[in-house]
Amino acid sequence: GAVVSQHPSWVICKSGTSVKIECRSLDFQATTMFWYRQFPKQSLMLMATSNEGSKATYEQGVEKDKFLINHASLTLSTLTVTSAHPEDSSFYICSARDRRIRPEDEQFFGPGTRLTVL
Amino acid sequence: LAKTTQPISMDSYEGQEVNITCSHNNIATNDYITWYQQFPSQGPRFIIQGYKTKVTNEVASLFIPADRKSSTLSLPRVSLSDTAVYYCLEDNNDMRFGAGTRLTVKP
Repeated sequence: GAVVSQHPSWVICKSGTSVKIECRSLDFQATTMFWYRQFPKQSLMLMATSNEGSKATYEQGVEKDKFLINHASLTLSTLTVTSAHPEDSSFYICSARDRRIRPEDEQFFGPGTRLTVL
Repeated sequence: LAKTTQPISMDSYEGQEVNITCSHNNIATNDYITWYQQFPSQGPRFIIQGYKTKVTNEVASLFIPADRKSSTLSLPRVSLSDTAVYYCLEDNNDMRFGAGTRLTVKP
């Protein structure tokens, strides 16, 4: 199956700093990427959907100025958590898919990034 | 809000067959049904996908009735390593996950 990587796999930062998380599709071109956040013992919560070359669509309640998403190429999307606070500590997961050929192609998930804000 | 409903948790024993049912009463005509497995601190992993009737691969089977308002993931002869959370998704344009089913396999 297709491979999606995330970097870093974990990060610890001080409150008030910004953190950038990268999501890459390694062996396919991702026309659409999704960003999720997951708190312990909870399900994945969709934060935003991004299509290559266009602005991300954010879910209700997700601050677009705080969670900056850039999908500048078909293989890379970045999530920047600006002015991070302890409540932003979570497990961030990206996924990617390419449905230009097969409309039913599933999304492939990255391994996740554990963010801890002190 | 997610459009799918699943049991919150299930227990099973090694070697048993496990069936997890998902309700998706308002599934759209162009939606496929996809099941994912997630272990702690990992991203979800694709298990199986279907549109209608039955689909089988090397790890699971997926049963979808004619009305497509539900689907059942069948895991044959589970092992301890199948302990995980399982999610069903109407996998088209809406990528919101439901609560998932936490499966615990006991020895």
